[in-house]
Amino acid sequence: AQSVTQPDIHITVSEGASLELRCNYSYGATPYLFWYVQSPGQGLQLLLKYFSGDTLVQGIKGFEAEFKRSQSSFNLRKPSVHWSDAAEYFCAVGAVWGSYIPTFGRGTSLIVHP
Amino acid sequence: NAGVTQTPKFQVLKTGQSMTLQCAQDMNHNSMYWYRQDPGMGLRLIYYSASEGTTDKGEVPNGYNVSRLNKREFSLRLESAAPSQTSVYFCASSWGGVLRANYGYTFGSGTRLTVV
Repeated sequence: AQSVTQPDIHITVSEGASLELRCNYSYGATPYLFWYVQSPGQGLQLLLKYFSGDTLVQGIKGFEAEFKRSQSSFNLRKPSVHWSDAAEYFCAVGAVWGSYIPTFGRGTSLIVHP
Repeated sequence: NAGVTQTPKFQVLKTGQSMTLQCAQDMNHNSMYWYRQDPGMGLRLIYYSASEGTTDKGEVPNGYNVSRLNKREFSLRLESAAPSQTSVYFCASSWGGVLRANYGYTFGSGTRLTVV
């Protein structure tokens, strides 16, 4: 079965600074990988996804993520953070074979200082 | 284009009471899911329905039942609510199946349930 770890519970950045949120997964083959964002009081929204091809994927709201097979990682990045990016971010990993239901990480809370 | 609609948005129950959380999607998705979200625990799968007419247990099914009423609707029932079921509940839908797993989920906005 697959698993996913988000090592950082909270991340604090200043507005305008760059951002990187970490995600590590465990799976025996190339998985499906997702990043979701949850604004306060809202449901989760899909930011981007990877399932094959180019290892650098672009998402909505100016986010991107890079799949690194050698490091079993799928880190989320943004070059310049806006105050509206303050939210909870979830990484998820899905299996290519067997159960397709993804496993979610515990989330990273992003705090943006003005 | 409503996506996934959950009702109610908020609910307070007394211990032992029952209630049903409703979920409906208008995207013609095959699969639907119920998750609960608790602080520091992320999302935990309660039940899912891979397709109309089927339901399966997830990670934390105890104390819950589900019904896939038709392709659009998937309800979650608490027969005898307990304080441990205080949580935020999310319904989600997807195309489902291995070949379409890469499309990701669409989530509802959640139901905040408090059991006192």
